[in-house]
Amino acid sequence: DAGVTQSPTHLIKTRGQQVTLRCSPKSGHDTVSWYQQALGQGPQFIFQYYEEEERQRGNFPDRFSGHQFPNYSSELNVNALLLGDSALYLCASSVTGARGYTFGSGTRLTVV
Amino acid sequence: AQTVTQSQPEMSVQEAETVTLSCTYDTSESDYYLFWYKQPPSRQMILVIRQEAYKQQNATENRFSVNFQKAAKSFSLKISDSQLGDAAMYFCAYRSAYGKLTFGTGTRLQVTL
Repeated sequence: DAGVTQSPTHLIKTRGQQVTLRCSPKSGHDTVSWYQQALGQGPQFIFQYYEEEERQRGNFPDRFSGHQFPNYSSELNVNALLLGDSALYLCASSVTGARGYTFGSGTRLTVV
Repeated sequence: AQTVTQSQPEMSVQEAETVTLSCTYDTSESDYYLFWYKQPPSRQMILVIRQEAYKQQNATENRFSVNFQKAAKSFSLKISDSQLGDAAMYFCAYRSAYGKLTFGTGTRLQVTL
């Protein structure tokens, strides 16, 4: 049973560049959420997508944007990267209305 | 806005012993869910146990149980018969009505022989 798949697993970018992270949800799941986890911290909610629309958003600037495709997979885009964007980015999928979430193993983004 | 507080950055327990991890939260909502997640070095968040706020009975999953005190907004995790494989970061999380998870800062659990 394929769980949540994230790609790439590691990424190094230069300050000012743009990055796209990808997430394939668990089979049967239709909702995707993205979280940013800085080193030594708990994950912070970025946004949630359902039916290809952003349903809820956390306290992140507009440099962070996303997309959900008809097959429920999702992308997280970050523009004008800052050193402070270095973090582990986690994707979590769920079925709308259900209580449970399945997390991927994340993408480790390093901005230099 | 909801907040989740974990006041124990690190805890240590001997193998086969029992340990309790603390979590408090703040919310004005009446209907919500609480979770404990385990994050090993592999980085994937693994669900340990969940509690529905409307249920008075404390949740139990094998060696893991919670002490849910709704009035005090407290949600502690008890791990019995600790095993080496339990060593990891543990995060307490609150789920709002719209599905957003709010996490605490985590507790690193070490298990010693």
